[in-house]
Amino acid sequence: DAGVIQSPRHEVTEMGQEVTLRCKPISGHNSLFWYRQTMMRGLELLIYFNNNVPIDDSGMPEDRFSAKMPNASFSTLKIQPSEPRDSAVYFCASSKTGGYGYTFGSGTRLTVV
Amino acid sequence: DQQVKQNSPSLSVQEGRISILNCDYTNSMFDYFLWYKKYPAEGPTFLISISSIKDKNEDGRFTVFLNKSAKHLSLHIVPSQPGDSAVYFCAANDRGSTLGRLYFGRGTQLTVWP
Repeated sequence: DAGVIQSPRHEVTEMGQEVTLRCKPISGHNSLFWYRQTMMRGLELLIYFNNNVPIDDSGMPEDRFSAKMPNASFSTLKIQPSEPRDSAVYFCASSKTGGYGYTFGSGTRLTVV
Repeated sequence: DQQVKQNSPSLSVQEGRISILNCDYTNSMFDYFLWYKKYPAEGPTFLISISSIKDKNEDGRFTVFLNKSAKHLSLHIVPSQPGDSAVYFCAANDRGSTLGRLYFGRGTQLTVWP
């Protein structure tokens, strides 16, 4: 079991550029969550999927953010255009139905300059 | 609306002593509670959990206590070690209705000094 795999680990981009973060959940897990960690808000839920279907995207800060899960083994979080205030660590997590907790990926540290 | 609250952003404890991290929740439907530990540059990792049918769960040096009437849980680490220095997140969910979504507190930075 390779765990939840996120790429890239670090991303530095210029303001206005498109950024795509990627996540491969654990095989057999049917829920996937995207979080953002900041000093001010802690772990902030952006969006989550169940069986590849978006369930709640109310945490997505604005229309510049979008997320997809085209199949059970892959999800993307896209920011277009990026802004300096988007700089944060973004985590992906997956879980099985039943609510017994998540497994997190190692995160992507995004810096927008 | 923060349904899980960790009111102490930081805690400093001497090695060998007890660390007590606290967490409060507001949603009476929550029936499962977890603690996650996070080191810098890593994702949070599961530490210990407790179901609402229990009031205590122990795993080695780590014990979680749940007081449902007060909507409060705590994590005790005895004895504390320097390697325990990390951010600890409290989390909760209602397994019947939220498709596994966890509600997190903002975390407590624990520092254990020699």
